[in-house]
Amino acid sequence: KTQVEQSPQSLVVRQGENCVLQCNYSVTPDNHLRWFKQDTGKGLVSLTVLVDQKDKTSNGRYSATLDKDAKHSTLHITATLLDDTATYICVVGDRGSALGRLHFGAGTQLIVIP
Amino acid sequence: EAAVTQSPRNKVTVTGGNVTLSCRQTNSHNYMYWYRQDTGHGLRLIHYSYGAGNLQIGDVPDGYKATRTTQEDFFLLLELASPSQTSLYFCASGDIQAPLFGEGTRLSVL
Repeated sequence: KTQVEQSPQSLVVRQGENCVLQCNYSVTPDNHLRWFKQDTGKGLVSLTVLVDQKDKTSNGRYSATLDKDAKHSTLHITATLLDDTATYICVVGDRGSALGRLHFGAGTQLIVIP
Repeated sequence: EAAVTQSPRNKVTVTGGNVTLSCRQTNSHNYMYWYRQDTGHGLRLIHYSYGAGNLQIGDVPDGYKATRTTQEDFFLLLELASPSQTSLYFCASGDIQAPLFGEGTRLSVL
């Protein structure tokens, strides 16, 4: 059973527009949540990590929120660029220790057009 | 600079073939992982290791063996490759809170 669901599956925006990606999960316990960016044919690059019960982070044009009560996270991308075209993956860690596992979403494919 | 290097980047083999995927990390991390990524699925854990000579079974281990020869090197072995193992394979190192990923190996089994 999929424990991390991302929506939308894919999204097309025009350069300069803002967009919001969603992540809902059922992983328990939920120690932390991380967003990765994956360029086509490349590895995963971390954008941000959220840890607290209700958390917010910001990394340049990327900002994220986490609500552990709702088991829900959002990734906001402001003023999109063509280089933002990628798959964005939500990952939930169920422990803070080496005994834990990472639970991966299938990703949202973002395409930014001129 | 922290790095995880995978080789080869691309591999094509036939059903029943023998394949070894290599991963080297220069981060002095104890933990290393092998994942596979398939369309419509999140990354799935095949095997992992917490040090040289150690091997732990992941969530989708069938058809795969792995060996950790040194702290730096972790290998994934497919001794009788099948078309269902066509996938994008990722190696990662580090602890669960901050894994570093390699660039991936695309394997096609014909």
